[in-house]
Amino acid sequence: DARVTQTPRHKVTEMGQEVTMRCQPILGHNTVFWYRQTMMQGLELLAYFRNRAPLDDSGMPKDRFSAEMPDATLATLKIQPSEPRDSAVYFCASGSSPGLEAFFGQGTRLTVV
Amino acid sequence: AQSVTQPDIHITVSEGASLELRCNYSYGATPYLFWYVQSPGQGLQLLLKYFSGDTLVQGIKGFEAEFKRSQSSFNLRKPSVHWSDAAEYFCAVGASWSGDKLTFGTGTRLAVRP
Repeated sequence: DARVTQTPRHKVTEMGQEVTMRCQPILGHNTVFWYRQTMMQGLELLAYFRNRAPLDDSGMPKDRFSAEMPDATLATLKIQPSEPRDSAVYFCASGSSPGLEAFFGQGTRLTVV
Repeated sequence: AQSVTQPDIHITVSEGASLELRCNYSYGATPYLFWYVQSPGQGLQLLLKYFSGDTLVQGIKGFEAEFKRSQSSFNLRKPSVHWSDAAEYFCAVGASWSGDKLTFGTGTRLAVRP
């Protein structure tokens, strides 16, 4: 059963620390999304990649967030330095373009104290 | 810019009753349309999708949705709700001309009364 795998599932860190979240997309999918979910803002698109190239990262705070795809099996989202307002659930999703449907991972619940 | 509106934040229905969740979108052309469901602590699961063709689409778990171009709507329906349907439901839109970027609505939280 193919699925998107995200690690870690939970992360508690202190303000100022670097946080790295990882995502393994479904094999063969060429599009990867990063979303952030909070009670106040709902689901926000942070960035997405097509064939490992970034297509849009306008939803991401550039000064502290970075997203990469070192290879087709790994996507990373880094926050440095982390702040309490970054506390949220971060979802990775993958799909196949065009007309894609996105398959979501279980999410990483980040708490910055 | 594309946008999705889910006017109902919370809905409570009795088990066995019918359900309709509303979704309206704003687009320059016919987009791709999706409904996802999220159970507590879980990721989002696709219920159904519309790309083209028949405007009434069937999904998993007994759900269906109807695309109405004239109303810019894609409402989700189920004839008889089960207690296990209690969850949050998200409508989403995307389009190939926008790079297949998915935009989600704010969600509707469904509670099921025994």
